[in-house]
Amino acid sequence: DAMVIQNPRYQVTQFGKPVTLSCSQTLNHNVMYWYQQKSSQAPKLLFHYYDKDFNNEADTPDNFQSRRPNTSFCFLDIRSPGLGDAAMYLCATSRDAGAYEQYFGPGTRLTVT
Amino acid sequence: GDSVTQMEGPVTLSEEAFLTINCTYTATGYPSLFWYVQYPGEGLQLLLKATKADDKGSNKGFEATYRKETTSFHLEKGSVQVSDSAVYFCALSEGGYNKLIFGAGTRLAVHP
Repeated sequence: DAMVIQNPRYQVTQFGKPVTLSCSQTLNHNVMYWYQQKSSQAPKLLFHYYDKDFNNEADTPDNFQSRRPNTSFCFLDIRSPGLGDAAMYLCATSRDAGAYEQYFGPGTRLTVT
Repeated sequence: GDSVTQMEGPVTLSEEAFLTINCTYTATGYPSLFWYVQYPGEGLQLLLKATKADDKGSNKGFEATYRKETTSFHLEKGSVQVSDSAVYFCALSEGGYNKLIFGAGTRLAVHP
């Protein structure tokens, strides 16, 4: 089945140790998004790619970076994780800009020790 | 800025009860409105959507009507099942790249 895959599902990292989360999609969608969802809160958009064009939300900390080497893959890099970065990270895709459905992966739960 | 407010949970119902989850929004333009559902351990799934005023979205027995005059998009279901237990998120999308702004989510627990 076409889908959005996130690896790993659970990630534990140490305070200050860089970590990379992975997302892949088989939908051939143009747009890929990364959301951060803290416990019992709404998902919050960090950034998105429209094809190769990167778009950062104004309030996304510099500590968060992203890469999209090809249509299928997108990575979230956290350069120096703090305790406050512990959250569920959700990847989503959309066929194009506009009011198209976003398809979400199962998420990666990040724990920072 | 744009925002979404939905009723706090948890909402606890017996099977076959009527469900309403309230959602109101604030937006400068004319957003599209969505309800997403998140089952335990899973990502979000689109439940229904409406793209203009007076549109009714429906899916799996759930319905919501885009009410521009009251800036609302309340979710309803006539008879809930245990399998409907999940967290429900109301969201709006405005802008060219389809950025979603979510409400805080409402946890629904349905008991037999």
